[in-house]
Amino acid sequence: DAGVIQSPRHEVTEMGQEVTLRCKPISGHDYLFWYRQTMMRGLELLIYFNNNVPIDDSGMPEDRFSAKMPNASFSTLKIQPSEPRDSAVYFCASRRTGGGETQYFGPGTRLLVL
Amino acid sequence: RKEVEQDPGPFNVPEGATVAFNCTYSNSASQSFFWYRQDCRKEPKLLMSVYSSGNEDGRFTAQLNRASQYISLLIRDSKLSDSATYLCVVSGYSTLTFGKGTMLLVSP
Repeated sequence: DAGVIQSPRHEVTEMGQEVTLRCKPISGHDYLFWYRQTMMRGLELLIYFNNNVPIDDSGMPEDRFSAKMPNASFSTLKIQPSEPRDSAVYFCASRRTGGGETQYFGPGTRLLVL
Repeated sequence: RKEVEQDPGPFNVPEGATVAFNCTYSNSASQSFFWYRQDCRKEPKLLMSVYSSGNEDGRFTAQLNRASQYISLLIRDSKLSDSATYLCVVSGYSTLTFGKGTMLLVSP
């Protein structure tokens, strides 16, 4: 079975540009989570969806960040405009109801904003 | 107080050594506990769940002390392949809260 798929794996962009990160959860998983990981702050939850509906976006740092989940197999995290402090590794994870609390992570997108 | 606190390390140990990591959490209502492992430049992966009675998986033993809000992981007979960052994880309402991790370096 395919795991969580994320694209792109690496992104280098200039400050002010729009960045779109993509995620395909494991088939049958109804929860999807977006995390950001930095050395200073560790792994932080940004937002999570259940059945494609955003449940908690309190971790989204500011209005420059937005996330959507138009269907059960696709989600995007958008940063517009991007800033150097957004440089981090962004992970997507998924899990299914009844499968315990275990989340399965994608390989991450390494974002560098110059 | 941070929600999940861990000693960042690194812990440098020789092959064959026994090493223990500790973690404390602040939310007494937390119900589920885990250790995840993260290799360099990779995603976190579940290592093991932590049960109140303590549990073992091969060379790995996890313990939970709810009264002290304390979780531990013991690795016996360390292997080079155990070198990684170990993340202490506590569940919340449908979500997980991760510690920053403890780095383990096992040397020949």
